[in-house]
Amino acid sequence: AQSVTQLGSHVSVSEGALVLLRCNYSSSVPPYLFWYVQYPNQGLQLLLKYTSAATLVKGINGFEAEFKKSETSFHLTKPSAHMSDAAEYFCAVSERNTDKLIFGTGTRLQVFP
Amino acid sequence: EPEVTQTPSHQVTQMGQEVILRCVPISNHLYFYWYRQILGQKVEFLVSFYNNEISEKSEIFDDQFSVERPDGSNFTLKIRSTKLEDSAMYFCASSGTGGDQYFGPGTRLTVT
Repeated sequence: AQSVTQLGSHVSVSEGALVLLRCNYSSSVPPYLFWYVQYPNQGLQLLLKYTSAATLVKGINGFEAEFKKSETSFHLTKPSAHMSDAAEYFCAVSERNTDKLIFGTGTRLQVFP
Repeated sequence: EPEVTQTPSHQVTQMGQEVILRCVPISNHLYFYWYRQILGQKVEFLVSFYNNEISEKSEIFDDQFSVERPDGSNFTLKIRSTKLEDSAMYFCASSGTGGDQYFGPGTRLTVT
């Protein structure tokens, strides 16, 4: 069965610092991969997705993620954190024959001034 | 920008009672979903719905759960006889032909 592991339930960075949120998946074939963000009292918002085109995917708000098949990873990065990036980030995976999303446990990002 | 809405934002109910959680998906979307997140746990898929039928459901989605699209705008999740372990945040999502799922803000269900 597919699964997603997000290392680090909490990540803290200073404003302007690099953001790196880790996600590893388990799947026998390359799946579709997603990053969602959840701001307080809001729904999950799609940041970016990988669907087997370019391995480096650019999303909204300056975020990007790189699909690395050899490492079964899809880590999310942003070169310079902003205070408004503070939120919970979820990595998710789906198989190619279903639209069911399987989520990781989430990583709460804190950004300090 | 179109968005998925959910009502109520918080529902408190007693064990054994029926609850209906309501969602208004984005108007031109055809695929609908319910997920839930028990406090401190992962967001879990419950069910997907297309063309007035369940497309896929998880093991969680047992006979106590049902979904309906009663009219052209609403999508509902009914829990017939709530249990304490049904307490969770329930998210509705919808997608169009592009496949991206758009989520609502969630309904927090508390079963006492």
